[in-house]
Amino acid sequence: QSALTQTASVSGSPGQSITISCTGTWTDVGSYNLVSWFQQHPGRAPKLLIYEVNKRPSGISSRFSGSKSGITASLTISGLQAEDEADYYCCSYAGSTINYAFGTGTTVTVL
Amino acid sequence: QVHLVQSGAEVKNPESSVKVSCKASGGPFNSFSYTWVRQAPGEGLEWMGDIMPVLGTGHYAQELQGRLTISADESTSTAYMELTSLKKDDTAIYFCATGDFHHWGQGTLVTVSS
Repeated sequence: QSALTQTASVSGSPGQSITISCTGTWTDVGSYNLVSWFQQHPGRAPKLLIYEVNKRPSGISSRFSGSKSGITASLTISGLQAEDEADYYCCSYAGSTINYAFGTGTTVTVL
Repeated sequence: QVHLVQSGAEVKNPESSVKVSCKASGGPFNSFSYTWVRQAPGEGLEWMGDIMPVLGTGHYAQELQGRLTISADESTSTAYMELTSLKKDDTAIYFCATGDFHHWGQGTLVTVSS
């Protein structure tokens, strides 16, 4: 299965906002509003931050927001905090043959 | 709150098989589908497949078709992932999650080594 493309790394200072992009195709991101975003700290399981493009599960800070335009989905982290330093992955439904495709992952560094 | 607990780490020889379990608690087992995702050392996440227990049929990633079987036992609220003909490239942490990705197990390290 083809992975969705993410920028390898993004960095920012505490309090700043950063945006992570996730580029797919018209058969996955572009066709379905079923994009999720996950945060993963070293040695831990992924944690769902955003589902269905822009919905937050209960308990997830409003500092995390998601959006989509065409074949690119985005995750914005506002008011960057030290604890946000982690790997972030997008994921999109890609139809009944491929089912789900994950992004290549983005490492966020808080300066 | 749904809680998923996976079985412990495994070390397997090439060409053998491994079966990892994922026991669910805190919610009706049949209310969810169950997904398996793996992560090779230093690599990203890879969707492997899923199952809806009430239907009993699984969906599998094309690259794993023929080697992967995902099953579910409603009587014990447990989902299983079995991978056969193991290769060194199958060395990874294997995660189970609910189908909506809201709840995850802690991960199971499977090491394939001779």
